[in-house]
Amino acid sequence: DTAVSQTPKYLVTQMGNDKSIKCEQNLGHDTMYWYKQDSKKFLKIMFSYNNKELIINETVPNRFSPKSPDKAHLNLHINSLELGDSAVYFCASSQARTSATPTDTQYFGPGTRLTVL
Amino acid sequence: RKEVEQDPGPFNVPEGATVAFNCTYSNSASQSFFWYRQDCRKEPKLLMSVYSSGNEDGRFTAQLNRASQYISLLIRDSKLSDSATYLCGSGGWNNNDMRFGAGTRLTVKP
Repeated sequence: DTAVSQTPKYLVTQMGNDKSIKCEQNLGHDTMYWYKQDSKKFLKIMFSYNNKELIINETVPNRFSPKSPDKAHLNLHINSLELGDSAVYFCASSQARTSATPTDTQYFGPGTRLTVL
Repeated sequence: RKEVEQDPGPFNVPEGATVAFNCTYSNSASQSFFWYRQDCRKEPKLLMSVYSSGNEDGRFTAQLNRASQYISLLIRDSKLSDSATYLCGSGGWNNNDMRFGAGTRLTVKP
């Protein structure tokens, strides 16, 4: 009963291809995220969705398009893959609140290691 | 200036040592703070949240200094199993805009 799952775990592909990574959470959380972790281990937020609505879109090339069919899923589609896209992509979720409680743990999926050749 | 900065280390300490990590954040409006642990080729996992008054969980103590905009993590009586990368996170009110540092690598040696 994995809380946040991602598929595939590994993805090796050629430059110029289009690929998708899927993410699902069974925690009943309202908010989901995509992060990119590069070779220097820097974990950088890409997108955040709350109840299927995009709320954060960092400076990410528009070749990256997130899609949230429902609040339990947030998929990432990447067009025209480039060498620099090689990284580990982590999906995460949290129970975003509107109360005064500021802390809200994020739960991460196992990551998808993307290698662009 | 990065939003969240950490000393990347590596910190190499003997078993039983006490080690401390600091992390600074640039957004004075940040409201939520965390320490995550990431093992090699694994996902980050929450180690502990950081509260204004400071908090302790066993051998781990987290502190927040809002005036200087830094958080700290103290690990006492280090174990071999503490070897990992420790990520500092700083977030907004609803945690929808979490920012992480690049992580501090800790190796505990026998």
